Amino acid sequence: ETGVTQTPRHLVMGMTNKKSLKCEQHLGHNAMYWYKQSAKKPLELMFVYSLEERVENNSVPSRFSPECPNSSHLFLHLHTLQPEDSALYLCASSQDPRATASDTQYFGPGTRLTVL
Amino acid sequence: TQLLEQSPQFLSIQEGENLTVYCNSSSVFSSLQWYRQEPGEGPVLLVTVVTGGEVKKLKRLTFQFGDARKDSSLHITAAQTGDTGLYLCAGENNAGNMLTFGGGTRLMVKP
Repeated sequence: ETGVTQTPRHLVMGMTNKKSLKCEQHLGHNAMYWYKQSAKKPLELMFVYSLEERVENNSVPSRFSPECPNSSHLFLHLHTLQPEDSALYLCASSQDPRATASDTQYFGPGTRLTVL
Repeated sequence: TQLLEQSPQFLSIQEGENLTVYCNSSSVFSSLQWYRQEPGEGPVLLVTVVTGGEVKKLKRLTFQFGDARKDSSLHITAAQTGDTGLYLCAGENNAGNMLTFGGGTRLMVKP
């Protein structure tokens, strides 16, 4: 596997379910990100981890819970979601977000989530 | 809150035509990035512009960063069907590698 991979690619869940999204990067990067892409809004940054430490949490509801056990893996745990949470969830990684020069983010293909 | 407005939101043209996509903000960005996203995939970086007034060319694509680093444009010459996709601009702020994305321009190039 190369680049950034995400599983599952598609997920349908009920509002009472608990599920997890997984992201894995094979690029040796130090930072990982979760974004939400919905039809009617710009891509929104949810969480940023740098060296396994959360450095950004953009007022995301507590029903989304991230976990970064190491620099290569990132999870998004989902619990009691709402239908408006249906969206494409994208993971990205970059070398070092604290770099003074622009630090390229590489995106995975996303998980298409539908909440019924 | 920094906002990026992209226009147009949708664009449908014939192969061979030229087009320009705009990305505007009232905020200053340390750099601006352009991505292309195809269905079922994540965004892929096309270019990063850093200096005010900078122009970068990528084959038939020309990217320009405004002098004040608040706006950018993407011009495609002689569009091809393979250019079809969602084009996203993203501004990077001075606080680190946190990107603010525009709403995107969905381009369809018809044969």
